[in-house]
Amino acid sequence: DAGITQSPRHKVTETGTPVTLRCHQTENHRYMYWYRQDPGHGLRLIHYSYGVKDTDKGEVSDGYSVSRSKTEDFLLTLESATSSQTSVYFCAISGTGAYEQYFGPGTRLTVT
Amino acid sequence: AQRVTQPEKLLSVFKGAPVELKCNYSYSGSPELFWYVQYSRQRLQLLLRHISRESIKGFTADLNKGETSFHLKKPFAQEEDSAMYYCALPPLSGGNNRLAFGKGNQVVVIP
Repeated sequence: DAGITQSPRHKVTETGTPVTLRCHQTENHRYMYWYRQDPGHGLRLIHYSYGVKDTDKGEVSDGYSVSRSKTEDFLLTLESATSSQTSVYFCAISGTGAYEQYFGPGTRLTVT
Repeated sequence: AQRVTQPEKLLSVFKGAPVELKCNYSYSGSPELFWYVQYSRQRLQLLLRHISRESIKGFTADLNKGETSFHLKKPFAQEEDSAMYYCALPPLSGGNNRLAFGKGNQVVVIP
């Protein structure tokens, strides 16, 4: 597996609380992505980053924000968690000049 | 508009039977296509990329530009092939290395 870790791996939180998920890579790859995976919807891109401090929205970005202050870390924040954000969240990375992405192990988030 | 279509959500096959997962795409030019696999509760892993024309775990995929398809095939399914499979391709232009993923196929291999 590529050097990608996610923390926490599991989290249960209450509606209305803020939540931050962390993705950490040791590959020095330029691009990083956050996806959510839900039955019937497959993988949907939330936000992505094309460099330090350079981020952009994906297809389901409402309710989420991201930050990338250094190459190795990409943070996903749910400002005020809702039950519709219960999902499995995957981080991915890719390098310059190559489209293939490598995925982290995922974070299972439950919002009660 | 959806650019990657995987029409069958669930595919059940018997062990030893052939399996084919369909992927159709919309793209102009020569796309670079990928198949990813996700075993139960694990991370997605790159299975195949069409550029390398390789066979991984007995799976092959041929790009058919006329039919805009990149179907994944294996002649004899094994129980360990039970997984989710995703087809993916890059954006039409620019796109910061993003990939568009299909909604996935759940494959169940019956012993």
